[in-house]
Amino acid sequence: AQSVTQPDINITVSEGASLELRCNYSYGATPYLFWYVQSPGQGLQLLLKYFSGDTLVQGIKGFEAEFKRSQSSFNLRKPSVHWSDAAEYFCAVGLLDSNYQLIWGAGTKLIIKP
Amino acid sequence: EAGVAQSPRYKIIEKRQSVAFWCNPISGHATLYWYQQILGQGPKLLIQFQNNGVVDDSQLPKDRFSAERLKGVDSTLKIQPAKLEDSAVYLCASSLPGGNTEAFFGQGTRLTVV
Repeated sequence: AQSVTQPDINITVSEGASLELRCNYSYGATPYLFWYVQSPGQGLQLLLKYFSGDTLVQGIKGFEAEFKRSQSSFNLRKPSVHWSDAAEYFCAVGLLDSNYQLIWGAGTKLIIKP
Repeated sequence: EAGVAQSPRYKIIEKRQSVAFWCNPISGHATLYWYQQILGQGPKLLIQFQNNGVVDDSQLPKDRFSAERLKGVDSTLKIQPAKLEDSAVYLCASSLPGGNTEAFFGQGTRLTVV
Protein backbone atom coordinates (compact mmCIF):
# COMPACT_ATOMS: atom_id res chain seq x y z
CA ALA A 1 0.00 0.00 0.00
CA GLN A 2 1.09 3.53 -0.61
CA SER A 3 2.46 5.38 2.39
CA VAL A 4 4.43 8.43 3.41
CA THR A 5 6.81 8.37 6.35
CA GLN A 6 8.13 11.37 8.19
CA PRO A 7 10.40 9.73 10.75
CA ASP A 8 10.86 12.75 12.98
CA ILE A 9 7.87 13.78 15.06
CA ASN A 10 9.65 16.81 16.51
CA ILE A 11 12.82 18.59 15.49
CA THR A 12 14.45 21.38 17.46
CA VAL A 13 17.00 23.66 15.83
CA SER A 14 18.59 26.93 16.82
CA GLU A 15 17.68 30.07 14.96
CA GLY A 16 20.13 30.55 12.12
CA ALA A 17 21.01 26.86 11.92
CA SER A 18 20.36 24.69 8.90
CA LEU A 19 17.37 22.38 8.68
CA GLU A 20 16.58 19.11 6.99
CA LEU A 21 13.21 17.37 7.35
CA ARG A 22 12.98 13.84 6.08
CA CYS A 23 10.27 12.29 3.95
CA ASN A 24 10.17 8.80 2.48
CA TYR A 25 7.39 7.31 0.43
CA SER A 26 6.24 3.94 -0.78
CA TYR A 27 4.68 3.94 -4.24
CA GLY A 28 5.19 1.88 -7.35
CA ALA A 29 5.71 4.80 -9.71
CA THR A 30 7.16 8.27 -9.52
CA PRO A 31 4.56 10.29 -7.71
CA TYR A 32 3.85 13.96 -7.48
CA LEU A 33 5.52 15.22 -4.29
CA PHE A 34 4.58 18.11 -2.06
CA TRP A 35 5.65 19.84 1.11
CA TYR A 36 3.07 21.84 3.05
CA VAL A 37 3.46 23.95 6.18
CA GLN A 38 0.81 24.42 8.85
CA SER A 39 1.18 27.24 11.36
CA PRO A 40 -0.90 27.12 14.56
CA GLY A 41 -4.54 27.85 13.82
CA GLN A 42 -3.85 28.19 10.11
CA GLY A 43 -4.61 26.13 7.09
CA LEU A 44 -2.02 24.24 5.11
CA GLN A 45 0.16 26.25 2.76
CA LEU A 46 2.12 24.79 -0.11
CA LEU A 47 5.89 25.26 0.21
CA LEU A 48 6.98 23.47 -2.94
CA LYS A 49 6.16 20.63 -5.28
CA TYR A 50 7.86 18.19 -7.62
CA PHE A 51 6.26 16.77 -10.74
CA SER A 52 9.14 16.12 -13.11
CA GLY A 53 12.41 17.53 -14.36
CA ASP A 54 15.07 18.98 -12.10
CA THR A 55 15.11 16.95 -8.91
CA LEU A 56 16.08 19.95 -6.80
CA VAL A 57 13.09 22.22 -6.42
CA GLN A 58 12.91 25.66 -4.90
CA GLY A 59 9.96 26.83 -2.87
CA ILE A 60 8.72 29.79 -0.94
CA LYS A 61 10.31 31.17 2.24
CA GLY A 62 13.78 29.96 1.23
CA PHE A 63 12.94 26.25 1.34
CA GLU A 64 14.15 23.65 -1.14
CA ALA A 65 13.67 19.92 -1.51
CA GLU A 66 15.47 17.20 -3.41
CA PHE A 67 13.81 14.18 -4.98
CA LYS A 68 15.97 11.06 -4.83
CA ARG A 69 14.33 8.27 -6.76
CA SER A 70 16.77 5.61 -5.58
CA GLN A 71 15.97 6.39 -1.95
CA SER A 72 12.25 7.16 -2.45
CA SER A 73 12.87 10.35 -0.55
CA PHE A 74 11.93 14.01 -0.82
CA ASN A 75 13.72 15.80 2.00
CA LEU A 76 13.06 19.44 2.78
CA ARG A 77 15.94 21.79 3.53
CA LYS A 78 16.60 25.35 4.55
CA PRO A 79 20.10 26.79 5.05
CA SER A 80 19.19 29.13 7.90
CA VAL A 81 15.95 28.95 9.88
CA HIS A 82 14.10 31.90 11.33
CA TRP A 83 11.88 31.91 14.42
CA SER A 84 8.88 32.37 12.12
CA ASP A 85 9.57 28.93 10.59
CA ALA A 86 8.27 27.25 13.74
CA ALA A 87 5.32 25.21 12.48
CA GLU A 88 4.31 21.72 11.46
CA TYR A 89 5.53 20.43 8.13
CA PHE A 90 3.76 17.80 6.08
CA CYS A 91 5.03 15.77 3.17
CA ALA A 92 2.42 14.49 0.73
CA VAL A 93 2.44 12.19 -2.26
CA GLY A 94 0.01 12.50 -5.15
CA LEU A 95 -1.05 9.21 -6.67
CA LEU A 96 -1.21 9.49 -10.45
CA ASP A 97 -3.34 6.37 -10.78
CA SER A 98 -5.88 7.29 -8.10
CA ASN A 99 -7.35 10.63 -9.14
CA TYR A 100 -4.17 12.30 -7.85
CA GLN A 101 -5.29 11.56 -4.30
CA LEU A 102 -2.84 12.94 -1.76
CA ILE A 103 -1.38 10.59 0.82
CA TRP A 104 0.02 12.51 3.77
CA GLY A 105 2.78 11.94 6.25
CA ALA A 106 2.08 12.41 9.96
CA GLY A 107 3.99 15.66 10.04
CA THR A 108 7.13 16.99 11.71
CA LYS A 109 6.84 19.75 14.28
CA LEU A 110 9.69 22.24 14.00
CA ILE A 111 10.72 24.02 17.18
CA ILE A 112 13.12 26.95 16.97
CA LYS A 113 15.47 27.70 19.86
CA PRO A 114 16.37 31.38 20.24
CA GLU B 1 -7.97 36.53 -4.60
CA ALA B 2 -10.25 35.22 -1.86
CA GLY B 3 -9.18 31.96 -0.28
CA VAL B 4 -11.15 28.91 0.75
CA ALA B 5 -13.74 29.89 3.34
CA GLN B 6 -14.92 27.53 6.04
CA SER B 7 -17.40 27.90 8.85
CA PRO B 8 -17.72 27.58 11.70
CA ARG B 9 -14.13 27.78 12.99
CA TYR B 10 -14.94 25.89 16.17
CA LYS B 11 -17.76 23.62 17.24
CA ILE B 12 -18.39 21.70 20.44
CA ILE B 13 -21.18 19.12 20.49
CA GLU B 14 -22.23 16.18 22.58
CA LYS B 15 -21.92 12.66 21.23
CA ARG B 16 -24.90 11.48 19.23
CA GLN B 17 -25.68 15.04 18.14
CA SER B 18 -25.41 16.14 14.54
CA VAL B 19 -23.19 18.84 13.06
CA ALA B 20 -22.63 20.43 9.66
CA PHE B 21 -19.64 22.23 8.19
CA TRP B 22 -19.68 24.58 5.25
CA CYS B 23 -17.02 25.29 2.65
CA ASN B 24 -16.84 27.87 -0.12
CA PRO B 25 -13.95 27.10 -2.49
CA ILE B 26 -11.91 29.49 -4.56
CA SER B 27 -13.88 30.72 -7.52
CA GLY B 28 -13.29 28.57 -10.58
CA HIS B 29 -11.85 25.60 -8.71
CA ALA B 30 -13.68 22.53 -9.92
CA THR B 31 -12.09 20.13 -7.45
CA LEU B 32 -13.06 20.23 -3.79
CA TYR B 33 -11.76 18.05 -0.98
CA TRP B 34 -12.80 17.40 2.60
CA TYR B 35 -10.09 16.13 4.93
CA GLN B 36 -10.16 14.98 8.54
CA GLN B 37 -7.05 15.81 10.59
CA ILE B 38 -6.84 14.15 13.97
CA LEU B 39 -4.39 15.71 16.41
CA GLY B 40 -0.88 14.48 15.75
CA GLN B 41 -1.70 13.02 12.35
CA GLY B 42 -1.65 14.13 8.77
CA PRO B 43 -4.85 14.93 6.93
CA LYS B 44 -6.98 12.02 5.76
CA LEU B 45 -9.10 12.45 2.66
CA LEU B 46 -12.79 11.95 3.34
CA ILE B 47 -14.26 12.89 -0.02
CA GLN B 48 -13.22 14.50 -3.29
CA PHE B 49 -15.61 16.25 -5.66
CA GLN B 50 -15.11 17.21 -9.27
CA ASN B 51 -17.73 19.89 -9.88
CA ASN B 52 -20.79 18.35 -8.21
CA GLY B 53 -19.81 14.73 -8.78
CA VAL B 54 -18.03 12.49 -6.28
CA VAL B 55 -14.60 11.30 -7.46
CA ASP B 56 -13.51 9.46 -4.32
CA ASP B 57 -15.37 8.78 -1.08
CA SER B 58 -13.72 5.50 -0.20
CA GLN B 59 -12.63 6.71 3.24
CA LEU B 60 -15.86 8.45 4.18
CA PRO B 61 -17.71 6.62 7.00
CA LYS B 62 -20.97 6.63 5.14
CA ASP B 63 -23.02 5.35 8.04
CA ARG B 64 -22.61 8.71 9.76
CA PHE B 65 -20.89 11.13 7.40
CA SER B 66 -22.41 12.71 4.32
CA ALA B 67 -21.31 15.44 1.97
CA GLU B 68 -22.80 17.27 -0.93
CA ARG B 69 -21.75 19.91 -3.39
CA LEU B 70 -24.83 21.30 -4.98
CA LYS B 71 -24.30 23.34 -8.14
CA GLY B 72 -20.61 22.48 -8.06
CA VAL B 73 -19.63 25.37 -5.81
CA ASP B 74 -20.24 25.35 -2.05
CA SER B 75 -20.11 22.15 -0.10
CA THR B 76 -21.39 20.88 3.21
CA LEU B 77 -20.12 17.99 5.31
CA LYS B 78 -22.45 16.51 7.89
CA ILE B 79 -21.92 14.11 10.76
CA GLN B 80 -24.94 12.39 12.24
CA PRO B 81 -24.66 11.06 14.90
CA ALA B 82 -21.27 12.21 16.12
CA LYS B 83 -18.92 9.99 18.10
CA LEU B 84 -16.10 10.95 20.43
CA GLU B 85 -13.54 9.77 17.86
CA ASP B 86 -14.85 12.33 15.36
CA SER B 87 -13.07 15.06 17.33
CA ALA B 88 -10.68 16.53 14.78
CA VAL B 89 -10.06 19.46 12.48
CA TYR B 90 -12.06 19.24 9.27
CA LEU B 91 -10.24 20.86 6.38
CA CYS B 92 -11.69 21.89 3.07
CA ALA B 93 -9.44 22.41 0.07
CA SER B 94 -9.97 23.29 -3.55
CA SER B 95 -7.93 23.15 -6.72
CA LEU B 96 -8.08 23.31 -10.46
CA PRO B 97 -8.51 19.88 -12.04
CA GLY B 98 -5.48 17.63 -12.46
CA GLY B 99 -2.78 16.36 -10.17
CA ASN B 100 -0.14 18.95 -10.93
CA THR B 101 -2.06 21.81 -9.42
CA GLU B 102 -1.86 23.24 -5.95
CA ALA B 103 -4.60 22.51 -3.43
CA PHE B 104 -5.55 25.58 -1.41
CA PHE B 105 -6.75 24.93 2.12
CA GLY B 106 -9.19 26.71 4.36
CA GLN B 107 -8.39 27.32 8.01
CA GLY B 108 -10.49 24.36 9.05
CA THR B 109 -13.21 23.67 11.57
CA ARG B 110 -12.11 22.28 14.91
CA LEU B 111 -14.75 19.86 16.16
CA THR B 112 -14.81 18.67 19.74
CA VAL B 113 -17.25 15.90 20.64
CA VAL B 114 -17.85 15.52 24.37
